[in-house]
Amino acid sequence: AQSVSQHNHHVILSEAASLELGCNYSYGGTVNLFWYVQYPGQHLQLLLKYFSGDPLVKGIKGFEAEFIKSKFSFNLRKPSVQWSDTAEYFCAVNDYTGNQFYFGTGTSLTVIP
Amino acid sequence: GAVVSQHPSRVICKSGTSVKIECRSLDFQATTMFWYRQFPKKSLMLMATSNEGSKATYEQGVEKDKFLINHASLTLSTLTVTSAHPEDSSFYICSARDSRGGTEAFFGQGTRLTVV
Repeated sequence: AQSVSQHNHHVILSEAASLELGCNYSYGGTVNLFWYVQYPGQHLQLLLKYFSGDPLVKGIKGFEAEFIKSKFSFNLRKPSVQWSDTAEYFCAVNDYTGNQFYFGTGTSLTVIP
Repeated sequence: GAVVSQHPSRVICKSGTSVKIECRSLDFQATTMFWYRQFPKKSLMLMATSNEGSKATYEQGVEKDKFLINHASLTLSTLTVTSAHPEDSSFYICSARDSRGGTEAFFGQGTRLTVV
């Protein structure tokens, strides 16, 4: 099975600070990469995804992520966070068949007004 | 957009009883559905992958006789927790992949199971 690592378990930032959440995966083949967000009391929502092409992917709400194949990484970034970004963020990976879908341990982001 | 509906959203059951959780894709057909368990402050643990018309593929360490998965149609998968114990209390989430293509999965809202 693949594994997905998120090194930041809990991040606390002030509003307007920049954000970068790390995600590394272990799988030698072709992968699809995702970042999901789970706001308090809500279900998972897709932030952005990478299938192929430009390794810099832009998602909703000003988030972006960069796929670096040589580092097996797919870090999530946002230049200026808002209080409403407080949530759990999950990195996910599946193989090109889509038949396996694995999540990282999640990062809890708290943005202080 | 693609909608996945999970029912019930909350359920409380007594130890020893069985509970069935339904996962429906409302506006698309799903050849593949995934079942996850989410522990407090932890990630989603993939329990099993179900494919319509065939047996589910369980992840290592997941008891297939305890967590029965049925994917009888392209829009419905069910997870039955048999002989539930308090340690089975958790948040269960399903997701579904559109059979028309793409590898993105769409998530249900989850089911909070409490076994007393």
